[in-house]
Amino acid sequence: EVQLVQSGAEVKKPGESLKISCKGSGYDFTNYRIGWVRQMPGKGLEWMGMIHPGDSDTRYSPSFQGQVTLSTDKSISTAYLQWSSLKASDSAIYYCARRTRYRSSWYDYWYFDLWGRGTLVTVSS
Amino acid sequence: DIQMTQSPSSLSASVGDRVTITCRASQSVSTYLNWYQQNPGKAPRLLIYGASSLQSGVPSRFSGGGSETDFTLTISSLQPEDFATYYCQQSYTSPDSFGPGTKVEIK
Repeated sequence: EVQLVQSGAEVKKPGESLKISCKGSGYDFTNYRIGWVRQMPGKGLEWMGMIHPGDSDTRYSPSFQGQVTLSTDKSISTAYLQWSSLKASDSAIYYCARRTRYRSSWYDYWYFDLWGRGTLVTVSS
Repeated sequence: DIQMTQSPSSLSASVGDRVTITCRASQSVSTYLNWYQQNPGKAPRLLIYGASSLQSGVPSRFSGGGSETDFTLTISSLQPEDFATYYCQQSYTSPDSFGPGTKVEIK
C-alpha cells in the first residue's frame, strides 16, 4: 500500500528539542519530494518547506527558515522535521505529504497527492 | 511570495446545491493551482491539480477552472460527505502557498 506513516503525538515543554518522522512505503521514496505543512489549532494550512530524499535538496518557506530543520534518511525511506528549541506557538498538527509531478506537453504541475495522517505537537509548560 | 485569498470564508448550503468557491492569487500563477478538501480531524485530500484536472478517484461533481489570478472550484450537486473545508494552493513558485480556506457547512 502506498502510504506515509507519521510518528505519534508529542507533548513537550518550551525549550525542548523534538524530531518527528514520516515514513514512506509502497513507492520509490527517493523519487518524490516530501513537503511539510503546519496546521495550528482551528486554522488553515501553512506550507513549511520540502526536501528531496534523493539529493537532500531542501527549500524552506521564509516563515520557517531557521525555525525548523528538514532531513531524510533514504535508507529507511523516512523524512524528518525537527526543532532545536520549541515554543508554545509551535503547538500544531504537522503533516507530511508527497509532492508529485504531472508532466504535460506544456506544463509541469506539482501537487501533494499523498498525505500522512498528521502528528500533533503540544508545547506547554 | 504569492498571497492567496479565497471567498467566501464560509458558506451554508443544502444537499443537492451547486456551490462555487473562488480563489485569487496576488500575481499570476498560470494554471499551477491545486484544490484540497479537508474533513474535520483528517488530512487534506487532493481534488484538482493544474487548475482543472480531476485527481484520480475524485467524483466528477467536482470541477475546477480559471487561470492567471482567478480560479474557481465548483461542486455541481453537494453531497453529505462534501461538507468540509476547501483550500487552494499555488505551486507556480516556491514557497508554495495555500489560501485561508472555505468552510462549507450544512444549511
